[in-house]
Amino acid sequence: DQQVKQNSPSLSVQEGRISILNCDYTNSMFDYFLWYKKYPAEGPTFLISISSIKDKNEDGRFTVFLNKSAKHLSLHIVPSQPGDSAVYFCAASGWNYGGSQGNLIFGKGTKLSVKP
Amino acid sequence: DSGVTQTPKHLITATGQRVTLRCSPRSGDLSVYWYQQSLDQGLQFLIQYYNGEERAKGNILERFSAQQFPDLHSELNLSSLELGDSALYFCASSGLQGNTEAFFGQGTRLTVV
Repeated sequence: DQQVKQNSPSLSVQEGRISILNCDYTNSMFDYFLWYKKYPAEGPTFLISISSIKDKNEDGRFTVFLNKSAKHLSLHIVPSQPGDSAVYFCAASGWNYGGSQGNLIFGKGTKLSVKP
Repeated sequence: DSGVTQTPKHLITATGQRVTLRCSPRSGDLSVYWYQQSLDQGLQFLIQYYNGEERAKGNILERFSAQQFPDLHSELNLSSLELGDSALYFCASSGLQGNTEAFFGQGTRLTVV
């Protein structure tokens, strides 16, 4: 049973436009959410995170939105650049999840292609 | 460079064999996590250690085991290997427990033939 879902395996956008990557979760005990970016043959790289006490967090071109009632978060990249082409993973964790803290539950990823 | 070092980068072995994957966390990080990424799958959480103690278990098979040593490096042992164990194995580390981001190594690609 997937607790973190990324329903779009791939997304293609034009350079300069907005990229919106979506993520849904089912476990209401999750209270911290993260996005990671992964290039081929490399490990995932932390991008941005958001705590459940917030509904928005911004870092440069990257903004994460959290809708707790809908158990949904999204990552907005504006403007998109060809170098943003990668697989983006959504992840969630919670203090009381599974009796441990900090271990991350990942979605299956969305492959973003930004075309020049 | 995340500061997390994994060795080896690539490993090819036969079914039924046993291998050991090694991870050195970022300096000062007490938590180590192991993840498996199979084809078309996301990152599956296997196990977490914190300062030498097992802290959480995910979808880890009984044929797999891990440990974290006093110097905080960790090893993931995979035994009685099957073709389906072929995957990328990532190690990650983080600092204090709680809601902190984990930093990933570059992974070990295991191929079982």
